[in-house]
Amino acid sequence: KQEVTQIPAALSVPEGENLVLNCSFTDSAIYNLQWFRQDPGKGLTSLLLIQSSQREQTSGRLNASLDKSSGRSTLYIAASQPGDSATYLCAVPTTSGTYKYIFGTGTRLKVLA
Amino acid sequence: DGGITQSPKYLFRKEGQNVTLSCEQNLNHDAMYWYRQDPGQGLRLIYYSQIVNDFQKGDIAEGYSVSREKKESFPLTVTSAQKNPTAFYLCASSSSVGGPEAFFGQGTRLTVV
Repeated sequence: KQEVTQIPAALSVPEGENLVLNCSFTDSAIYNLQWFRQDPGKGLTSLLLIQSSQREQTSGRLNASLDKSSGRSTLYIAASQPGDSATYLCAVPTTSGTYKYIFGTGTRLKVLA
Repeated sequence: DGGITQSPKYLFRKEGQNVTLSCEQNLNHDAMYWYRQDPGQGLRLIYYSQIVNDFQKGDIAEGYSVSREKKESFPLTVTSAQKNPTAFYLCASSSSVGGPEAFFGQGTRLTVV
């Protein structure tokens, strides 16, 4: 059974720091991995989707890497800003015939001005 | 604009009442999902549907019901049998071909009064 873990659960950093958020999964046979952002009381916004054949994806100051063999993905945030403060979640779809998404519990990020 | 619309944003339910949460998507996605989010527990799957007129129970389906009469709509009913319905409910959709990316609505916060 696929399990997804995110470490750390919470992170507080001063503005301008480069950050690494971690996501681990137990079953390496994944189709893709998706990173989301969630602001308080809001839905999930998709940040990056990495297909199983890819090693990394970039969008602006965000870079996500994927290492299937070790069951890990990292989300790198460059030059963090107070507006980056949110909860970041990673998710993988199950590899059975139906696409269900298994989520980590998230990393709550606070960037201090 | 393409996306997923959930309504209402806030919903209050009296003990013993059934309430229905709306989810509409115009992304032409085949698959739709309902998740429940509680503090500290992450997202848990309630029901999902891969095609019209078909849906499957997720991990916590007891006390909930759904229908999928149209491709773009996937309403969730929280019945009186759900003992602890106060939570944040998120609807999502994805295409079902080739490693889909999931998209989420803005959520409905349900409170029992």
